[in-house]
Amino acid sequence: AQTVTQSQPEMSVQEAETVTLSCTYDTSESDYYLFWYKQPPSRQMILVIRQEAYKQQNATENRFSVNFQKAAKSFSLKISDSQLGDAAMYFCAYRSRGGTASKLTFGTGTRLQVTL
Amino acid sequence: ETGVTQSPTHLIKTRGQQVTLRCSSQSGHNTVSWYQQALGQGPQFIFQYYREEENGRGNFPPRFSGLQFPNYSSELNVNALELDDSALYLCASSSPSGGARTDTQYFGPGTRLTVL
Repeated sequence: AQTVTQSQPEMSVQEAETVTLSCTYDTSESDYYLFWYKQPPSRQMILVIRQEAYKQQNATENRFSVNFQKAAKSFSLKISDSQLGDAAMYFCAYRSRGGTASKLTFGTGTRLQVTL
Repeated sequence: ETGVTQSPTHLIKTRGQQVTLRCSSQSGHNTVSWYQQALGQGPQFIFQYYREEENGRGNFPPRFSGLQFPNYSSELNVNALELDDSALYLCASSSPSGGARTDTQYFGPGTRLTVL
């Protein structure tokens, strides 16, 4: 079974600075997807960024980018120019590419605080 | 394009009762997945429905059951409620046959269930 580990329960960053959230995963599969979701106090899980394992190029979405290290099974999220609205819980998630059910396996989350 | 909606927002039940939660999938999506998120944890996969059939199940007992309707909306039913069932229940819709963008799961705002 796949597992996802987020070793940073809480992180803090100053507005306009850069922060990196860590995620490692364990799998025996070679083809899969990785995601970062954001969950603000409103509770709705919002997709931040997605990475396909067969793509070597790291995904980027505006101020959000990832560092995907397949051999190390590491998938970190970098947030540049942090904004107050970035404050939320961030979850790393894994999804197999094959199989009948496209279930997501989540980590335990990292709470990001953004300070002035 | 309408997003994923869930009802009700909050629900309070007593131990032993039964509950039904509802989810309307995003326009164009034919797959609905349900997750349970206990306080301070990442979401855990309950099951998934694809074209009205259960398409995979997580480690949840049979008293957790579901339905998907021809319009792809879905219900989660929980019988014989236990205190540990208190959690945020999230549904997510996707459309695996629609390519990379629609293969991603998009979440609703969740239903907060409290069991007393």
